[in-house]
Amino acid sequence: SQELEQSPQSLIVQEGKNLTINCTSSKTLYGLYWYKQKYGEGLIFLMMLQKGGEEKSHEKITAKLDEKKQQSSLHITASQPSHAGIYLCGADPQGGSEKLVFGKGTKLTVNP
Amino acid sequence: DTAVSQTPKYLVTQMGNDKSIKCEQNLGHDTMYWYKQDSKKFLKIMFSYNNKELIINETVPNRFSPKSPDKAHLNLHINSLELGDSAVYFCASSQDVAGGSGNTIYFGEGSWLTVV
Repeated sequence: SQELEQSPQSLIVQEGKNLTINCTSSKTLYGLYWYKQKYGEGLIFLMMLQKGGEEKSHEKITAKLDEKKQQSSLHITASQPSHAGIYLCGADPQGGSEKLVFGKGTKLTVNP
Repeated sequence: DTAVSQTPKYLVTQMGNDKSIKCEQNLGHDTMYWYKQDSKKFLKIMFSYNNKELIINETVPNRFSPKSPDKAHLNLHINSLELGDSAVYFCASSQDVAGGSGNTIYFGEGSWLTVV
């Protein structure tokens, strides 16, 4: 079965610093989803990547999927307290009507 | 031991039936969630309970009712099932309301509901 490993488990950074969260799969991914969970809210969809080498950006957050489609990174530039929360990667194992599988999340704290 | 377990994993049922999906976590977490995976595989929050109290209740049909007998269990009951209810439903838990003093989120394997 597909497993997703996220690193680091938790991260504390000073406001303004850049940071990267990684998501590694044991198998080739058909699709990779990044979500964020803020305090008291459900998961918020950030981005989805499907093609090897694909990169997407939204505001100061950039997500990449490597050429082998087994690793994705989420990079935040000039972090702000509003970026704090739990970041979760989810994978589509085969692209059919399969269930997503998830990492365990990375908790990000941004200190002002 | 499975941290968050859902049953059943697969369920095929007829329209109009009432069904329940059970979720249990053995992590001692205070917060549990139900998510629905839509046709594009995006997750949408349905409900969240913290210490048996409802804290998130998104706009879902009132045919869906969560029940939390204790903080280790959050069951999803669905009345009068419709074809459009066919989806994968995920249960999850976290120590605290995510982003607070708690840590990461643990997901169950999902329950695939097919309404025919």
